[in-house]
Amino acid sequence: DIVLTQSPDSLAVSLGERATINCKSSQSVSYSSNSENYLAWYQQKPGQSPKLLIYWASTRKSGVPDRFSGSGSGTDFTLTISSLQAEDVAVYYCQQYYTPFPKFGQGTRVEIK
Amino acid sequence: EEQLVESGGGWVQPGGSLRLSCVISGFIFNNYAMNWVRQAPGKGLEWISTIDNSDGGSTYYADSVKGRFTISRDNSKNTLYLQMNNLRAEDTAIYYCAKDRKIYDLWGLGTLVTVSS
Repeated sequence: DIVLTQSPDSLAVSLGERATINCKSSQSVSYSSNSENYLAWYQQKPGQSPKLLIYWASTRKSGVPDRFSGSGSGTDFTLTISSLQAEDVAVYYCQQYYTPFPKFGQGTRVEIK
Repeated sequence: EEQLVESGGGWVQPGGSLRLSCVISGFIFNNYAMNWVRQAPGKGLEWISTIDNSDGGSTYYADSVKGRFTISRDNSKNTLYLQMNNLRAEDTAIYYCAKDRKIYDLWGLGTLVTVSS
């Protein structure tokens, strides 16, 4: 089973500052045949259901603000919020869909400092 | 507008059963695989089941629910189901339906299932 480990578990960032969340996979989630990384990021605001932010590791879903960006390949991935806004307070999850049955990371809570 | 609306949650005693429903609108249900994902109180997300598109589509289950839960769909009613039998305390969670095979680009609001004596 692939295990995704996110770091940190939580972080507090000042408004307008950068927030960086890491997601490390226990094995590669990239297929050599197409060089795609089978990794997505979701945002879950308090009291709400999760929302897709990014897929294929770096493709932003339509309508997602461009302050959100994803990077990485193989086993190491990063979600960056370039300038944190108040509405970005949430728990963020990475998810691998490399295997038939997707798995999520444990989540990273982002708060305002 | 694409939308998923779950229902059917509630309180049930250990060993009991519940059937969850997820009604979809705004997209062609037949074209998409559908999923159930749950979230225990204060915990993370756990995929539990997927059904491929079309009636009688292939089904998949997490080990934690295999043999107790059954996913199904009625494409004529635009509805996804989850029959949950022999419920345990550890099944207490918000249950979300989510659209598409692996990249979950749409989620419902969820329905809360509480298993307690």
